[in-house]
Amino acid sequence: SAVISQKPSRDICQRGTSLTIQCQVDSQVTMMFWYRQQPGQSLTLIATANQGSEATYESGFVIDKFPISRPNLTFSTLTVSNMSPEDSSIYLCSVGSRSYNEQFFGPGTRLTVL
Amino acid sequence: EDQVTQSPEALRLQEGESSSLNCSYTVSGLRGLFWYRQDPGKGPEFLFTLYSAGEEKEKERLKATLTKKESFLHITAPKPEDSATYLCALTTDSWGKLQFGAGTQVVVTP
Repeated sequence: SAVISQKPSRDICQRGTSLTIQCQVDSQVTMMFWYRQQPGQSLTLIATANQGSEATYESGFVIDKFPISRPNLTFSTLTVSNMSPEDSSIYLCSVGSRSYNEQFFGPGTRLTVL
Repeated sequence: EDQVTQSPEALRLQEGESSSLNCSYTVSGLRGLFWYRQDPGKGPEFLFTLYSAGEEKEKERLKATLTKKESFLHITAPKPEDSATYLCALTTDSWGKLQFGAGTQVVVTP
């Protein structure tokens, strides 16, 4: 299984600021995914990050709010821009196995916006 | 519209009291149904992927089964360390984008 790390593990931010979350994988992967887990809720897919191309966003999520970078096959960043308290959530990255029959998650970044 | 529904929302068990969690789905072209365990403050931990009706997979006290409309996660003789939220998710594409259910919170008391 892939070992995934995220930075920061948690942060408290002020309204109107931006935060960039990093996701590092210990092996090369084609697809990386970013999810959001709002308080007391399940996970919702934000976007799919494919190395060498623009990220693909799900309905309700836009690039201006959640810009994503994917500079290589082991790393991705998600930025939460112009934050409001409604952005307070856990943000998680995930990767699939080579055959896509398993998918592994990072430990998450707990974001609180005041 | 694709839907994933988990029941019950919460389950309280005595240690050793076996039970089942349900994940029902309506989707066109299921490519995989995933089960995860999530402990508070942590990312989901992968348990199983099921692909076709009739398939079963086991891991320790957990057994997952799949039909054309639903999946069950059976917990046999649970222990307090099995307390967690269990999440069901499905994918309909080849890359593994997951759609999650709301989860079942399981508490096992000694």
